[in-house]
Amino acid sequence: NAGVTQTPKFQVLKTGQSMTLQCAQDMNHNSMYWYRQDPGMGLRLIYYSASEGTTDKGEVPNGYNVSRLNKREFSLRLESAAPSQTSVYFCASMRERGYSYEQYFGPGTRLTVT
Amino acid sequence: AQTVTQSQPEMSVQEAETVTLSCTYDTSESDYYLFWYKQPPSRQMILVIRQEAYKQQNATENRFSVNFQKAAKSFSLKISDSQLGDAAMYFCAYRSPNNNDMRFGAGTRLTVKP
Repeated sequence: NAGVTQTPKFQVLKTGQSMTLQCAQDMNHNSMYWYRQDPGMGLRLIYYSASEGTTDKGEVPNGYNVSRLNKREFSLRLESAAPSQTSVYFCASMRERGYSYEQYFGPGTRLTVT
Repeated sequence: AQTVTQSQPEMSVQEAETVTLSCTYDTSESDYYLFWYKQPPSRQMILVIRQEAYKQQNATENRFSVNFQKAAKSFSLKISDSQLGDAAMYFCAYRSPNNNDMRFGAGTRLTVKP
């Protein structure tokens, strides 16, 4: 049971380049999330997916796209990276059974855009 | 959209003493979930405690307890008998009852002095 996995762990991009952050969970959770974490600003929700086939915008969706490929996988894409997207990105899934709503987080991806 | 405010960027406590971290939130919803997460230097997010808004009784998990004041929209975390391992960033979070949207506060960095 690996929990929530993210790849890559580190990435450096140049302005204008694109990339996809991958996330997978093996806990059979319906809901999955993408956050970014910046100093002094906590975790800000980018997008979430309440179930396979659905996605919704969070607090800071501009500049990002997501795909809920199947129940296990939820990817985040930066089409044209900007320095303002330098951040640590976390993927999470949510346990809903028993109305727990506990989130399980991946280890994070540190992204630097130069 | 709901907002979560943590007004204490940093707090410190002496080992074995008690410390309280503050959190307030803004919502028009009546039934929701509140959480405290801990993020140690390893960057892994760990659930500390959870409170359902419809429950009047304050949640408790060993040395961790909350003071939930629904009318005041306040959700503080009390850590008793503080230990060196409690040193971390602590985030307050809100889950909307109507979907799985999650919002986090900016965090409080807790230092534990030996």
